[in-house]
Amino acid sequence: NAGVMQNPRHLVRRRGQEARLRCSPMKGHSHVYWYRQLPEEGLKFMVYLQKENIIDESGMPKERFSAEFPKEGPSILRIQQVVRGDSAAYFCASSPGTSGRDDEQYFGPGTRLTVT
Amino acid sequence: GNSVTQMEGPVTLSEEAFLTINCTYTATGYPSLFWYVQYPGEGLQLLLKATKADDKGSNKGFEATYRKETTSFHLEKGSVQVSDSAVYFCALRAGGYQKVTFGTGTKLQVIP
Repeated sequence: NAGVMQNPRHLVRRRGQEARLRCSPMKGHSHVYWYRQLPEEGLKFMVYLQKENIIDESGMPKERFSAEFPKEGPSILRIQQVVRGDSAAYFCASSPGTSGRDDEQYFGPGTRLTVT
Repeated sequence: GNSVTQMEGPVTLSEEAFLTINCTYTATGYPSLFWYVQYPGEGLQLLLKATKADDKGSNKGFEATYRKETTSFHLEKGSVQVSDSAVYFCALRAGGYQKVTFGTGTKLQVIP
């Protein structure tokens, strides 16, 4: 059973360009989460999505960032007009969506975004 | 809000030494508690977890006990190996919410 897949693993963008990060959840998982890890820091929650729905986006910056999880295909985290401060590792996690404390999140390998 | 505080690193130990990484938390209700490990250049792997008070999570020789009275979840291992060198994150997930709150991580370096 393949784990959570993210691509690309490394992404370099110039200031002002757009960055699109993709996440394919584990088979059978319908919940996706995005986290950002700034250099030398822990992971910070950004957004929680189910198929075609954003459930919690309390950690998303108000501008330039958006996320989707369409009915078909991977989840996409989109950053428009990137700035140097967006340079970070972006991790996706997925879970099966079972109720209670057994709804384990499994993390992907991350996409390391560098803005030059 | 919820928060996790863990000891700052880096922690440098000799092989076969005893490891303790302290972790305390603040949360409403009864959160689930986790330790994740991140090897260089890789994503996070769940190391162990505990979902209720007095539960002990264990895996690969690592252990942590959910102590509600002290709001702690300290990570321990009796004899570390060079291959344990990594960054360790303590984390919680509060009941009813799915997002995980992480500590800042503790870098462990084990030298031969």
